[in-house]
Amino acid sequence: ETGVTQTPRHLVMGMTNKKSLKCEQHLGHNAMYWYKQSAKKPLELMFVYSLEERVENNSVPSRFSPECPNSSHLFLHLHTLQPEDSALYLCASSQERQAEAFFGQGTRLTVV
Amino acid sequence: RKEVEQDPGPFNVPEGATVAFNCTYSNSASQSFFWYRQDCRKEPKLLMSVYSSGNEDGRFTAQLNRASQYISLLIRDSKLSDSATYLCVVRSNTGFQKLVFGTGTRLLVSP
Repeated sequence: ETGVTQTPRHLVMGMTNKKSLKCEQHLGHNAMYWYKQSAKKPLELMFVYSLEERVENNSVPSRFSPECPNSSHLFLHLHTLQPEDSALYLCASSQERQAEAFFGQGTRLTVV
Repeated sequence: RKEVEQDPGPFNVPEGATVAFNCTYSNSASQSFFWYRQDCRKEPKLLMSVYSSGNEDGRFTAQLNRASQYISLLIRDSKLSDSATYLCVVRSNTGFQKLVFGTGTRLLVSP
């Protein structure tokens, strides 16, 4: 059983839709991450929150908007996505930025 | 040059074989190193950390060569259940400390 839970597990959305991905960690960690995994590409770091403050945005398009209301919850708000945004979106957490990360099971997103 | 490079494979080996994967990294300031395992359509899971002196966990041995900036993973007596993608992961201690993932090496162990 994972200490990091993501919902939904699968999502199909149109390009004009607005949806949100949710992540919750039960490990008492103080850093949370959003990663994108596309086919045949390495995991790409999208956003990091440490102590509820966003510390990095890797030039991700503004159609992706993160929110971290507290140290246990992380959201990724999606709007007007493109078909190339279809991918597996993984949430992860770590105790501190030096430790290894623990991943949720991911949300498989398809944009039609 | 990619920050972390791996041979994507696949490596096809019979049960019981020994197989080794290598990974190179470009940032000499990197300080923490890990091997993750990812099964098909699942999330990555930590397999083992890699320490400077090398470390072993059962059938798995990890080595780090800082001078050449490469990391290796050796799997002895391969099992069918070892079939997965193995991700090399590097964390830098300069600037923002982010985890950088390689594309992964796919291993297929056959009966």
